[in-house]
Amino acid sequence: DAGITQSPRYKITETGRQVTLMCHQTWSHSYMFWYRQDLGHGLRLIYYSAAADITDKGEVPDGYVVSRSKTENFPLTLESATRSQTSVYFCASTGQGWEQFFGPGTRLTVL
Amino acid sequence: AQSVTQLGSHVSVSEGALVLLRCNYSSSVPPYLFWYVQYPNQGLQLLLKYTSAATLVKGINGFEAEFKKSETSFHLTKPSAHMSDAAEYFCAVTSNTGGFKTIFGAGTRLFVKA
Repeated sequence: DAGITQSPRYKITETGRQVTLMCHQTWSHSYMFWYRQDLGHGLRLIYYSAAADITDKGEVPDGYVVSRSKTENFPLTLESATRSQTSVYFCASTGQGWEQFFGPGTRLTVL
Repeated sequence: AQSVTQLGSHVSVSEGALVLLRCNYSSSVPPYLFWYVQYPNQGLQLLLKYTSAATLVKGINGFEAEFKKSETSFHLTKPSAHMSDAAEYFCAVTSNTGGFKTIFGAGTRLFVKA
């Protein structure tokens, strides 16, 4: 499928477990982003990547790890999940026009 | 440093009435400005964007926004609200200095009354 996809769409995990959220885009966009969306905080940038093997921290990177070995994939890992990481996570990519294209989101619940 | 302020976390209008969602920004360099819409359980979708061409920008679904540099504003309008416009709207500013980053406003939820 063309576009940007995220998996899983819903995930329930327990405190302390490692969780990986997947993001895949088919446009070969250079830039990719991970955001979390929480009531009262809007969208906050976790990490972003300018190209394969180039990543940088955003506003709220603590507790998260990213990698980008291929242009089309940008997985986000929660190394040891905490309840405060319960959120909706969005992946996005940017093309030449600078607008961002968002995935459908992953709703993560940490018990 | 960039910032975006959306005035009003909730706006309620009657069907057929004017929609006005306010956005003010600050940016040390000429900005790229965007409005996105988010429907329940979906990701954000681009409504329109300003990239230093025409100051009045037309987007999808009858929305438009006007860039006013003197007021550092980029308000979103639609002449006649439709029930299907009920959603959350985000204003965003982007620059490519010191790394490509987009700052989003806190969002405005639009309610449309029948």
